[in-house]
Amino acid sequence: QKEVEQDPGPLSVPEGAIVSLNCTYSNSAFQYFMWYRQYSRKGPELLMYTYSSGNKEDGRFTAQVDKSSKYISLFIRDSQPSDSATYLCAMSEEGAQKLVFGQGTRLTINP
Amino acid sequence: GAVVSQHPSWVICKSGTSVKIECRSLDFQATTMFWYRQFPKQSLMLMATSNEGSKATYEQGVEKDKFLINHASLTLSTLTVTSAHPEDSSFYICSAKRYATEAFFGQGTRLTVV
Repeated sequence: QKEVEQDPGPLSVPEGAIVSLNCTYSNSAFQYFMWYRQYSRKGPELLMYTYSSGNKEDGRFTAQVDKSSKYISLFIRDSQPSDSATYLCAMSEEGAQKLVFGQGTRLTINP
Repeated sequence: GAVVSQHPSWVICKSGTSVKIECRSLDFQATTMFWYRQFPKQSLMLMATSNEGSKATYEQGVEKDKFLINHASLTLSTLTVTSAHPEDSSFYICSAKRYATEAFFGQGTRLTVV
């Protein structure tokens, strides 16, 4: 079993829809949770960063962490074609150097 | 967010030659930098973790003598692919950590060995 599980998709939704992306994990010591967006042939871009449980909102993006269920989510409201990319979840333990990544979900927003 | 610059964006080299890739944190000091390799439609594969002024820590299965990493300052790390072969062709990405947790990525380098 992988430490972090993420459905690779592909996921295709119409423009304007609400998108829900998820990751599950097995390591209860994870404390830091991140979502990255990666366009084709580019490096990942940090979208959201959350410490421990709770919600965080930034514009059209909302990140949720449920440590009791070992489950994190990224919601994208009013999705746009420019949101089409691969979304990677990542997490790390307190004091750890390395991030553990999910496989990434390929998302396409259709105009 | 913080800016990490990676250079070059793409490079083509002949088999048997060496290629150096630079990674710079432009507006922050990075005590830790990471080098990843990414195959098409796959996630990031960590190659090594680099701390300023010390030897890099390589992941299992990564050849230290082929992938030389130097982290000479708090803003610069380099990856040198030595005696490159076609199987080394890939997308290489660096990442730099700001503070204890946030990691920012460079734009990646596409290496093609012919």
